[in-house]
Amino acid sequence: SQQGEEDPQALSIQEGENATMNCSYKTSINNLQWYRQNSGRGLVHLILIRSNEREKHSGRLRVTLDTSKKSSSLLITASRAADTASYFCANRDNYGQNFVFGPGTRLSVLP
Amino acid sequence: EAQVTQNPRYLITVTGKKLTVTCSQNMNHEYMSWYRQDPGLGLRQIYYSMNVEVTDKGDVPEGYKVSRKEKRNFPLILESPSPNQTSLYFCASSLVWGFRSGGGQETQYFGPGTRLLVL
Repeated sequence: SQQGEEDPQALSIQEGENATMNCSYKTSINNLQWYRQNSGRGLVHLILIRSNEREKHSGRLRVTLDTSKKSSSLLITASRAADTASYFCANRDNYGQNFVFGPGTRLSVLP
Repeated sequence: EAQVTQNPRYLITVTGKKLTVTCSQNMNHEYMSWYRQDPGLGLRQIYYSMNVEVTDKGDVPEGYKVSRKEKRNFPLILESPSPNQTSLYFCASSLVWGFRSGGGQETQYFGPGTRLLVL
């Protein structure tokens, strides 16, 4: 099965700075989703981008999708300490029914 | 309140003692899924269900069973747990899945997780 990969594995920034996380995948996808997880808790859906979309915004979040490079990026602008969490990309390919998560990026926002 | 619930939240057991982790959603979702999360490996899908009586294997199904007799419930069964099944387990649900959804309704809602330790 395909495996998403996030980059970097860990990111530490100061409050107010922007945080960018990247995700790569291996097969053709129907959609790609980003999730957030606070330490040891359930994942919370942030944003979904479809394969025919290139960019999507939600509040301080901006997601891009480049299907030619099989990659996506999540940008969090004006970060806050409360944004400290792990962020995962996930996708379902066009042919399968299962859902694949990447290993995640641990973001630390320092006050 | 729309939610996915899991029970128990924490469980310590011994090798070979059958256990069941329950999952229930109150959103009338068709799709339900189980994941396990291990350090450095992210989330891996164990089993999923497209609807009542329709289940299929994910990436790591060995040692697990599931059933979907009702739309709202999707229990995960470990017939003979082993220490390598020590993990954090999440149940999730989605309104619909696959080509019918056009992608936009595939947002997954996650339960709070079940920490399992198998001695």
